[in-house]
Amino acid sequence: EVQLVESGGVVVQPGGSLRLSCVASGFTFDDYSMHWVRQRPGTDLEWVSLIIWDGSRTHYRDSVKGRFTISRDNSKNSLYLQMDSLRTEDTALYYCAKDRGHSSNYFDNWGQGTLVTVSS
Amino acid sequence: EIVLTQSPATLSLTPGERATLSCRASQSVGSYLAWYQQKPGQAPRLLIYDASNRATGIPARFSGSGSGTAFTLTISSLEPEDFAIYFCQQRTNWPPTITFGGGTKVEIK
Repeated sequence: EVQLVESGGVVVQPGGSLRLSCVASGFTFDDYSMHWVRQRPGTDLEWVSLIIWDGSRTHYRDSVKGRFTISRDNSKNSLYLQMDSLRTEDTALYYCAKDRGHSSNYFDNWGQGTLVTVSS
Repeated sequence: EIVLTQSPATLSLTPGERATLSCRASQSVGSYLAWYQQKPGQAPRLLIYDASNRATGIPARFSGSGSGTAFTLTISSLEPEDFAIYFCQQRTNWPPTITFGGGTKVEIK
């Protein structure tokens, strides 16, 4: 059974930093691209970032480019999101999501999410 | 950025009825469209990918159709567990652009 468990979400002030983690199990982690997707209060879903299987390519939505960094450690079956220069509009539930394939850019398994609140 | 517009915002139906949900793209996405179901307090679940392919373990009452800019998710006969919010999502390969629609809530009438 695929499991994705996120952690690291807290309340942080604007301009602050945070690192989210996601530990994966139940599948061969380094066979798949991985993503972060966020859901703001309400319902809107936003894709945030992706990293391909070996970490050699990454991509970000425009609003987080230069502020967020995605990485992975395949030896630890772990995905990370370093979040710097946080803004109030980054407040959301952040999901770790497994790609359906190498780079299908569909998400066939999701964690339960970790809540990031950016507030003074 | 490709914008996905879902309609209606809310669909009020009774168990056993047929549900038809629409997703329109601001420009052609080919067949690169997925549908997800989300229940309160849960993460989204992939139902359909590439417009018409059911994901693993998804019941046959869920079907997807369409291409280009107009897509439909059909639930042939609503079960009590199908009352939820449904999102569409489009994608490109590389560089990736990935966007979601605003969702359709299917509620019990």
